[in-house]
Amino acid sequence: DIQMTQSPASLSASLGETVTIECLASEDIYSNLAWYQQKPGKSPQLLIYYANSLNDGVPSRFSGSGSGTQYSLKINSLQSEDVSIYFCQQNYDSPPWTFGGGTKLELK
Amino acid sequence: EVQLVESGGGLVQPGRSMKLSCAASGFTFSNYGMAWVRQAPTKGLEWVATISYDGSSTYYRDSVKGRFTISRDNAKSTLYLQMNSLRSEDTATYYCTRELMGAWDYWGQGVMVTVSS
Repeated sequence: DIQMTQSPASLSASLGETVTIECLASEDIYSNLAWYQQKPGKSPQLLIYYANSLNDGVPSRFSGSGSGTQYSLKINSLQSEDVSIYFCQQNYDSPPWTFGGGTKLELK
Repeated sequence: EVQLVESGGGLVQPGRSMKLSCAASGFTFSNYGMAWVRQAPTKGLEWVATISYDGSSTYYRDSVKGRFTISRDNAKSTLYLQMNSLRSEDTATYYCTRELMGAWDYWGQGVMVTVSS
């Protein structure tokens, strides 16, 4: 199984700041990487698919990048509504499709 | 508007069975692969099973293989998860999801399954 290691596990940032979350795959996943946002008590929502494609309706302050085994999610100009847990997920080749452990983003 | 509405959860004893349903609306259900993803209390996300758009292909995580069955009725726009021989470690919120380019672009509100005596 492909292991996804996400960092940091938690993060505290100020309004307006730029935040970056990293995800490391245990093998090359050829950009088959998605990012999700889960607000407290809610279902996850897809932010980014195929490493850097923004899902419909997602604010442009969110962006994804990376290749091979290393990927990142960047949030520009942090807003209060961005307080959430963020998960990466690989969907390369055959199952099981696996998630990172999550990054809890809080306001400083 | 795309909607996925799960039902059928609750409290069940270990070893017993339970069937979850997911009613889909707002899109052409028969055009999309679908999946179940679960989340144990205060834990991360875990993919459970996937079914192709026409039901011809199914995939399961190892821990549920042989116990869970994913199926769909395209005429009713409904996804199912039959869960047999339930274990305490199956306790989780189960989400019905729609597949987009290998990711999951729409999620239901989730249904809680608690396996306990």
